[in-house]
Formats: sequence, C-alpha cells, structure tokens
Amino acid sequence: EAQVTQNPRYLITVTGKKLTVTCSQNMNHEYMSWYRQDPGLGLRQIYYSMNVEVTDKGDVPEGYKVSRKEKRNFPLILESPSPNQTSLYFCASSLVGGQPQHFGDGTRLSIL
Amino acid sequence: GDSVTQMEGPVTLSEEAFLTINCTYTATGYPSLFWYVQYPGEGLQLLLKATKADDKGSNKGFEATYRKETTSFHLEKGSVQVSDSAVYFCALTLSNTGKLIFGQGTTLQVKP
Repeated sequence: EAQVTQNPRYLITVTGKKLTVTCSQNMNHEYMSWYRQDPGLGLRQIYYSMNVEVTDKGDVPEGYKVSRKEKRNFPLILESPSPNQTSLYFCASSLVGGQPQHFGDGTRLSIL
Repeated sequence: GDSVTQMEGPVTLSEEAFLTINCTYTATGYPSLFWYVQYPGEGLQLLLKATKADDKGSNKGFEATYRKETTSFHLEKGSVQVSDSAVYFCALTLSNTGKLIFGQGTTLQVKP
C-alpha cells in the first residue's frame, strides 16, 4: 500500500528541547515536502526536496531544518523549538515536483 | 508575491445542492492549479488539477476550469452529498519549482 508515514503523531514538549519528526514514503518518489497547518492560514510550505541531497526553502523555513540523505526519508528538525511552532505538520510526496499527491496523517506538536 | 485567495467558510448546503467554492490567484509566470480535500482527522488528498489555461480538472463529480483571464479556478459540483463534508484547499505551483502555495481553506458542511 502506498504510504507516507509520519512519527510521532502527537508530541508535547518544552521550549528549547530539540526534536525530530520523521517522514518516510514507500513509493520511490523523488519529491517530498513539509507543511504546517494553522487555523485561518491554511497550509504553508516549510521546506521541499526535489531529490536526494537537494533541499530548498518554502515560505516559512525559519526555525526548521531538513535533510534528504536517502530517497525515502525526509525528517523535519526543530533545533530549538519555540511556542510559535505549535502547529499541525504534514509531510507529502509525489513523482512530480510541486504537485504532492500523498500526504501523511499529520503530526500535532505542542511546544510549551 | 504569489498568493491564493479562497472564499471564506463555512459553506453550509443541503444534500443534492449545487456547490461553488471560489478561488482566485496571483502568480508570476504560468502556474499549475490544484484542489485538495481534507476529511476530518486526515491528511490532504489531491482532488483535481489543471496545468494550463482553459484546462478542466475533474474527479469524483467535482470540476474546476483554469481561467487565465480572470485568474480563477473555482471548484464546482452539481449535487453534493453528506460525505463531501470536508475542508477544501486551492493551491498553485510555479513551473519547474517545488514551491506550493495554498489558500486558507474553505469548510464545507452538507446536511441531510
């Protein structure tokens, strides 16, 4: 079954404690991307990757890092989380760049 | 800069009513346009897309036509069902980039 898997699904943590949200896809897709969803703002792109070792900033990259060492994985790293990063996060993938077709189920982060 | 504007919701309709959700965009170049749907508690699903002017995307009874002269991509369905209740997002991407820009989303509630 084609899947994008995010972990964890829920996390409550404190300001400044580094965390990583993992994202993995089993479809051999070249394109992967991260979004955050906030009420009234829709989804905003954080980072995207067109292929292994190729990443680029979306609209709201501040405070986030990513890496793409292998095609299937695209982790999102918050080095020093702050309360304004409390949000619902989605990872997505597709064969064609900029047209995500498969989304994960989301990760709800609460930064206290 | 590039942006997507959707009509505000929630939109409340009775079953079998006609649906229109308005979407307009601002973009440099020639964007591709998309509609995504998010059911409660789930990630997004690509509903339909159009990659050039006058293209019509369609899926599951939903349609949208890429209108360059009015910079619009309105979503329509002739007869909605209760199961269509969800949040609908309009989005655009620019050619040969991985950037994806979403509208703020429109909640549709369909009552029996």
